[in-house]
This record gives sequence, structure tokens and C-alpha cells, in this order.
Amino acid sequence: GNSVTQMEGPVTLSEEAFLTINCTYTATGYPSLFWYVQYPGEGLQLLLKATKADDKGSNKGFEATYRKETTSFHLEKGSVQVSDSAVYFCALSDHMNNNAGNMLTFGGGTRLMVKP
Amino acid sequence: DAGVIQSPRHEVTEMGQEVTLRCKPISGHDYLFWYRQTMMRGLELLIYFNNNVPIDDSGMPEDRFSAKMPNASFSTLKIQPSEPRDSAVYFCASSYYRVGGTGELFFGEGSRLTVL
Repeated sequence: GNSVTQMEGPVTLSEEAFLTINCTYTATGYPSLFWYVQYPGEGLQLLLKATKADDKGSNKGFEATYRKETTSFHLEKGSVQVSDSAVYFCALSDHMNNNAGNMLTFGGGTRLMVKP
Repeated sequence: DAGVIQSPRHEVTEMGQEVTLRCKPISGHDYLFWYRQTMMRGLELLIYFNNNVPIDDSGMPEDRFSAKMPNASFSTLKIQPSEPRDSAVYFCASSYYRVGGTGELFFGEGSRLTVL
């Protein structure tokens, strides 16, 4: 079956520090990979995505590269801000399983806290 | 275009009472998902529908939980009778499936349920 493993938090950083949140996956097909972000009191929002190997997703200064050889999709940002404090979820969608449509498999989430 | 709309945003009720959570998916989306989020268990998929038909309800915790989708623009999640351990944030999400699509889910802002 499909699964997503991401590093446990919380991750606490100072403003302008470099961020990496690790994510690895197992999948039976050819998944698309996603990072979702959840700000306090809100629902999950798509942050970025990649649909095939070696694709790089990017948004708001965040980046993640789809690495098929290491089955990874690590999230990075060069300089975090206090406003980036949130919970980040790595997820995959397996398109080979047509019956599942767009069902996503989520990791456990990683809480990021950025201090001024 | 309106996103996924959930109601109520907050619900406080007493143990034993019936709770009904509502969701209006994005127009044109053919998949609808109900998730539950708690600190202990993270994000759990409860049930999902395709074209108003329940496809997989294996995540529904027990018979006290039921979900319906009478038409393409409305779904309910009902808990009867409610218990304190049902306290959580319940998210509804929708998507549309097409071959070659990326599989993005669009989430509502959630319904925070507190059972006393």
C-alpha cells in the first residue's frame, strides 16, 4: 500500500534560517506528490506539487524536488519568516488506482515554529 | 469561485446529542472526502464519495458515524450519539478526477466539534 513518512516536529527556527522538512514515500504506481500547509485555525491549502520524477514544485519561496531514486520529496526554504509558522503535510496521489480518484495519502504533519 | 464550504465552523454539544456537519463541495467536483483531525491521530480519512456514491467508508470509526451525499452539491456527516472522544476538527474536501490530472484536493476550513 501507499504511505508517506515525514519528520516529526515541532521544528523551531529563528527568522531567516534555512528550512528542510524531510518526506519519503512508498507507492505502488506513479504518484503525484504534494505539500499542503495548515495555518492555525484554518484548513489545509496546497503549497506546491510535482507530478513526475525530477519535477520541482515551488511556491512562496518553498521548493521540493520529486526524487524517484530516493523516493523523497523534501521541502526546503532558504529564509523562513514568522508568518511561515504552520503545520506542513506531505502527501501523495496514486493515479494508477483509478477507483480511488484523487484520494491522497498524507504524512503525519510537521509543525514549524519560527521565532523572531 | 467559492471554495468548499463547511458548517458549522464550531459546535459545542453534550455527550449523547446528535451532531450533523455539513459540506458544500466546489461545483463540478466529482469526489468528496471527509477527514478528521486530532492531536493524537493526526489527519484520518473517514469516507469518500464519487458522483454521490460512497466508495470507501472503512475509516468511519463506528456505527455512530454516518455520512450521506444526496446530491452533487451537499454532504452531511452525522454522529449519533456523540461522545467526548469524537471531539476533533472535521474537514471536508473535494476534487475532480481526470486522466493525467494532478490529483489536488481542495479543503474546507473545517468544523471544530467539542463534545462535553
